[in-house]
Amino acid sequence: DTEVTQTPKHLVMGMTNKKSLKCEQHMGHRAMYWYKQKAKKPPELMFVYSYEKLSINESVPSRFSPECPNSSLLNLHLHALQPEDSALYLCASSQVTGRDNSPLHFGNGTRLTVT
Amino acid sequence: ILNVEQSPQSLHVQEGDSTNFTCSFPSSNFYALHWYRWETAKSPEALFVMTLNGDEKKKGRISATLNTKEGYSYLYIKGSQPEDSATYLCLSGSARQLTFGSGTQLTVLP
Repeated sequence: DTEVTQTPKHLVMGMTNKKSLKCEQHMGHRAMYWYKQKAKKPPELMFVYSYEKLSINESVPSRFSPECPNSSLLNLHLHALQPEDSALYLCASSQVTGRDNSPLHFGNGTRLTVT
Repeated sequence: ILNVEQSPQSLHVQEGDSTNFTCSFPSSNFYALHWYRWETAKSPEALFVMTLNGDEKKKGRISATLNTKEGYSYLYIKGSQPEDSATYLCLSGSARQLTFGSGTQLTVLP
């Protein structure tokens, strides 16, 4: 079982809907990440939070809005998505050590379908 | 975008065979190299994180080496088992950017 919990596991939404993806970890990690993975492609980094502050935004469209309300939670708010946004959304967390040598701990992902 | 490449794209081996695959990355501004195993319907699982040129890591039958000067890492699996079947991803990056390779899909045939 993964120590990073993502909900929901599956989500189907229309292009006018507003929905949120949730991610939770209780390992004391202070870095949290959102990745997007399309079929047969590697995961692509979307956002990184470090100490609850957004540190990296990889030019993600504003219809994706991340939020880190506390050190254990990471949300991804979705609004006015397009069918091409359908993908597996992975959350990950890691320790912040000052060097990039902490492994990422991933959740099982949310499979999103935009109709 | 950091260009991280993996080869081969897919690999079929017989149970008991040893195998290896490659991750290539730009050697400039190197910061770290991660290896992950991703089994179907599960989350990616970290195998190794390496940061220093010449690093070698081992975990059971799986080991990895790192050459930061020439920009590559090898992952070795000794005596492959069917449960080793998975996609193996490397992740390399600078302090600013982490990028996954496209993965090597390993199938171990019983």
